[in-house]
Amino acid sequence: RKEVEQDPGPFNVPEGATVAFNCTYSNSASQSFFWYRQDCRKEPKLLMSVYSSGNEDGRFTAQLNRASQYISLLIRDSKLSDSATYLCVVYNQGGKLIFGQGTELSVKP
Amino acid sequence: DTGVSQNPRHKITKRGQNVTFRCDPISEHNRLYWYRQTLGQGPEFLTYFQNEAQLEKSRLLSDRFSAERPKGSFSTLEIQRTEQGDSAMYLCASSLQNMNTEAFFGQGTRLTVV
Repeated sequence: RKEVEQDPGPFNVPEGATVAFNCTYSNSASQSFFWYRQDCRKEPKLLMSVYSSGNEDGRFTAQLNRASQYISLLIRDSKLSDSATYLCVVYNQGGKLIFGQGTELSVKP
Repeated sequence: DTGVSQNPRHKITKRGQNVTFRCDPISEHNRLYWYRQTLGQGPEFLTYFQNEAQLEKSRLLSDRFSAERPKGSFSTLEIQRTEQGDSAMYLCASSLQNMNTEAFFGQGTRLTVV
């Protein structure tokens, strides 16, 4: 079993749609959680950190459920510019940064 | 430019040759990570350093792969006797030791083994 698993993609949605991505992690001692965004043939960049209390940044909301070892990302009012691959990222207790396989999002006009 | 720098950006090599990639992290970052990424997959962990100490190396890596960070600043990743299956994007990232801070990536080195 992979340490970090994400919903398989691609997600194809119309502009304005709400889309949710899910991620599970296997190591209950994992300490920090992030969502990264990766555009085609570019390096990953931080989208947002994920906190136990949940956090929101504009149209983006991230949630963490430690009991279920589950992380989510919600994107509201999707824009064409949101088209990218979204990567779930977990720091384990040793400081190793583990990535999920990524979920591709394509927002269509 | 004070971001993570990787060189070269592209490398084409013949099967069986050795290649070496370099990563210069953000100067105050003491953690440095190497990943490999193929099309449609997320970055796959290879190894990471805290200062000059190599803390972990992926079990998936064969003995043909080695990484160093001799002075705790830049790092090199060497692949010996390259194989076609080594063709991928090799990404370097750096971060502070605090695990609540983000890791910053370089633009990667794209390796093609022919």
